Amino acid sequence: GAGVSQTPSNKVTEKGKYVELRCDPISGHTALYWYRQSLGQGPEFLIYFQGTGAADDSGLPNDRFFAVRPEGSVSTLKIQRTERGDSAVYLCASSPGTTSEQFFGPGTRLTVL
Amino acid sequence: GEDVEQSLFLSVREGDSSVINCTYTDSSSTYLYWYKQEPGAGLQLLTYIFSNMDMKQDQRLTVLLNKKDKHLSLRIADTQTGDSAIYFCAETNQAGTALIFGKGTTLSVSS
Repeated sequence: GAGVSQTPSNKVTEKGKYVELRCDPISGHTALYWYRQSLGQGPEFLIYFQGTGAADDSGLPNDRFFAVRPEGSVSTLKIQRTERGDSAVYLCASSPGTTSEQFFGPGTRLTVL
Repeated sequence: GEDVEQSLFLSVREGDSSVINCTYTDSSSTYLYWYKQEPGAGLQLLTYIFSNMDMKQDQRLTVLLNKKDKHLSLRIADTQTGDSAIYFCAETNQAGTALIFGKGTTLSVSS
């Protein structure tokens, strides 16, 4: 595919459950970003990967949130013990380098009941 | 910390010009961006401007940057119904590792 893809597009879970959200960046893009967008708000930065390593995870709200990118391509955002306040659209973006344009995926809408 | 502020709504008639305004706080941002978000779609980069420029024109889009006042604007000429969307202003954070977005301006275009 030509663009950033994210799966699933929608995820409904119950409070306290564990969820994994997947991002497939554009092939060859070394930088990968996760953002969270709540209703009526702009996207908020969560974490940035350069290659396999998390270069900046200062946006993760607490230790229930974790993300990996083991082979420097696909990334998974993991949320433990989900809370209703975690409900949002989770956006992934990739770019060829840190200072380059970020290309966004369509997002995963997470609903925690 | 870094912050980006935008007006929340703008309503115009088809064919008029639209001007969306934004203020930002981080004077060290190298680039400033305008993104468009349509319902059910991802964020699309519309245009960006280097911090050492004061104007950039790209077809119907004109970006004006006032660094002294930390004010950025996006003008859309001959606004069309297809321009109806949410427009986000964004700057890079101080570390240069992420974008800081405003809350978005909802542009409504009536025919």
